[in-house]
Amino acid sequence: DAGVIQSPRHEVTEMGQEVTLRCKPISGHDYLFWYRQTMMRGLELLIYFNNNVPIDDSGMPEDRFSAKMPNASFSTLKIQPSEPRDSAVYFCASSPRQGGTGYTFGSGTRLTVV
Amino acid sequence: AQSVTQPDIHITVSEGASLELRCNYSYGATPYLFWYVQSPGQGLQLLLKYFSGDTLVQGIKGFEAEFKRSQSSFNLRKPSVHWSDAAEYFCAVGARAGGTSYGKLTFGQGTILTVHP
Repeated sequence: DAGVIQSPRHEVTEMGQEVTLRCKPISGHDYLFWYRQTMMRGLELLIYFNNNVPIDDSGMPEDRFSAKMPNASFSTLKIQPSEPRDSAVYFCASSPRQGGTGYTFGSGTRLTVV
Repeated sequence: AQSVTQPDIHITVSEGASLELRCNYSYGATPYLFWYVQSPGQGLQLLLKYFSGDTLVQGIKGFEAEFKRSQSSFNLRKPSVHWSDAAEYFCAVGARAGGTSYGKLTFGQGTILTVHP
């Protein structure tokens, strides 16, 4: 298995531009999670899905952020418009059937908004 | 809601020395517990997990952790640290079936480990 695949690995964009981060979870995993990691705030859960349905989006910082999971093998996290304070590493993770089995993380997308 | 505290932000040890990283959790029942490791520029890798049964769990890379219900702790240990263990370590807690946040893990703030030669 190729693991959780995120793209791009690095993204540099100008303030005000739309940014789309992509994630392909491990086949057969029912849960998908989006996290943001910064020095100041550590790992923050943004949103998670169960069987493609958003379960908890309370961590999404504001309306500029949106996430979708159109099918079991693909999810996107979109920021529109982007701001410098959105600069962070964004991780996608997936887990099978139940959260108690632990996550498999992707390698992350390092986003820099200038 | 569950929460995790890692009291030590940064720990420095000498290569070959023993290591213990502390983790305390808050949860209404026995949770699922995990330790992850993150090397610079990488994602998080699962070291070990506790679900039930034996309270001393073994993980990869020679790590072990002990669940102590009375202390709400899940400390990570290694008897002899190698330079390659230098990384950031995260403790995480997950709710069991029926919990209000079932399916989601809550992570601690992390402990950075530096290993001196």
